[in-house]
Amino acid sequence: AQKVTQAQTEISVVEKEDVTLDCVYETRDTTYYLFWYKQPPSGELVFLIRRNSFDEQNEISGRYSWNFQKSTSSFNFTITASQVVDSAVYFCALSEEAGANNLFFGTGTRLTVIP
Amino acid sequence: ETGVTQTPRHLVMGMTNKKSLKCEQHLGHNAMYWYKQSAKKPLELMFVYSLEERVENNSVPSRFSPECPNSSHLFLHLHTLQPEDSALYLCASSLGQPGSYEQYFGPGTRLTVT
Repeated sequence: AQKVTQAQTEISVVEKEDVTLDCVYETRDTTYYLFWYKQPPSGELVFLIRRNSFDEQNEISGRYSWNFQKSTSSFNFTITASQVVDSAVYFCALSEEAGANNLFFGTGTRLTVIP
Repeated sequence: ETGVTQTPRHLVMGMTNKKSLKCEQHLGHNAMYWYKQSAKKPLELMFVYSLEERVENNSVPSRFSPECPNSSHLFLHLHTLQPEDSALYLCASSLGQPGSYEQYFGPGTRLTVT
């Protein structure tokens, strides 16, 4: 079974619309870390956020916000007032405890923002 | 730029060739990683080095051979590859213990095996 599920393969929105990217994870560990990365057409993944399992506070950074819900094992990412530059593939990732062999990425969600 | 560079950006090689991918990080990080990214598949972690020692090898075929001569440089030596090895190979680094810290990625090497 996949440790990280991003059910939305592709999403298209019109500029200025809000969009939420879903991420569901699976782990039995009590200590774990969740990440979001953005991969623009240039190819390199850009780190967006890290959240540890003990911090359920939602976070807002400009137009980006993240909703961490342990009860539903979800770590969703919302972009408000989307812009064309937000077009990219977005990856959610899970790290269990502090282990090098426990790094799991989802399959990504391709977001296209139409001008 | 994230402070992680990779060369070459594109590589085409035959199945009998030997080539190397290079990664360099300018961030003072202690851990470095190689990933393989194929179409419609999750990112696959291949190798992890922490403080220049290999700490993880996720059942990668021996035709891929990593080398980490110091904490700033990471190589992936390739030989007798197969067409299914064609993919984007990404290098990343992180500050501390693998898994606990966010990773910073390079732009990747697009490898095509003919």
